[in-house]
Order: sequence, then structure tokens, then C-alpha cells
Amino acid sequence: GAVVSQHPSRVICKSGTSVKIECRSLDFQATTMFWYRQFPKKSLMLMATSNEGSKATYEQGVEKDKFLINHASLTLSTLTVTSAHPEDSSFYICSARDQGTKAFFGQGTRLTVV
Amino acid sequence: DAKTTQPNSMESNEEEPVHLPCNHSTISGTDYIHWYRQLPSQGPEYVIHGLTSNVNNRMASLAIAEDRKSSTLILHRATLRDAAVYYCILRDLGGMRFGAGTRLTVKP
Repeated sequence: GAVVSQHPSRVICKSGTSVKIECRSLDFQATTMFWYRQFPKKSLMLMATSNEGSKATYEQGVEKDKFLINHASLTLSTLTVTSAHPEDSSFYICSARDQGTKAFFGQGTRLTVV
Repeated sequence: DAKTTQPNSMESNEEEPVHLPCNHSTISGTDYIHWYRQLPSQGPEYVIHGLTSNVNNRMASLAIAEDRKSSTLILHRATLRDAAVYYCILRDLGGMRFGAGTRLTVKP
């Protein structure tokens, strides 16, 4: 099946710094990718929809200046958490859709802000 | 978005079948019924999906009610590796929106 790869799988950063998370579709072209975050014991929350070559669409309550999304190619989307604070610590997951209706998810990135 | 309702948790014995129910009474005609599962500290994994007819694959079977207002994911022989949170999601074309899911515990 299709593979979506996320990098890094785990990152620790200092408060006030920025962190970039990459999401790649390895064997298919993804015109649309999605970013989620998940707090412990909670379900996934959709943050934004990333469209190749255009601006991302953010869900209500998600700060677009805080979570910068770039989708410059059909196989790569990046999420940058800017000026990270401890409350941004979470599990971030990306997904990509192929030509069909399935979605494929990355393995997730655990961000810890200290 | 049409919503789904699932039991918070279920238990099963190893090697026995498991039936995970999902209610989606407000489903629209174009909504596909998707099932994903998530193991701890991993991204969700695709299990199965369908529109109207029952579906089978190597992982599971999906039984869809005739009125499409409910569906059941069937794991034919549960193994310890099937312990996960199972999500039933209705999807058209946009991003998937996850409910709380069902936490499946498999007892040896």
C-alpha cells in the first residue's frame, strides 16, 4: 500500500524556538495533505488541509501564523511550529490522499517543548 | 459533517471474532464509511472502507446496514496485535474527522 513518511519521529525543542516537521508521500503524488494533532488519551484533531501550490486551509481555532504549512511539491508538505511553547507539545500526524478515497497516515511526530 | 457513534471500549478474547459497531444515522449518499485503527504512539492505519455493499479484505470485513445508518467492523480472529483504538469515519472528499473511537482490548 501507499506509504507516507514523517520526519522527525520525535523532537525536543526549547521554548521560543521553531520546529519543522516534514511529511512525504513516498510512492504516490498527493495534491492534498492533512495535518492533525493529538493530545494524550484524546482523538486526532484536524488542524489544516494542505493543498499543493496554494495556501493551506486552517480549521477554526488553529492559528495560521503559529502553524505554518507549506506544500511546495506533490510529495512534500511541511508543518512549522513557530515560537513553540510547552502547550504546543503534542503528537502531530500528517496524512495524504491518493487518487481514491483512502487516506494514508504518517507515523507521527512527538513534539516536546521544554 | 455527519457524525458517528461508537462504544468507548470493547473486550475480546484472543482467537475469537470481534464485532465493532458504528452508528451513523445522518450519513449522506456520498459518504464513504471508513475504518482506521491506531496503535499506541503510531499514526492511524487503514483497515477497510465501503459505500453500500459489504466488503472483505485480508484484515477485516465490513458489514453495512441496508439503510446505511450503521455498520459493523468484523475481525474474524482477534490477535493481541489487534488491540488498538478503532475509528469509524464518514468521509466525502475532505479531511477525515475522528471521533473518540472504540478502544479494543484483546485478552490472551
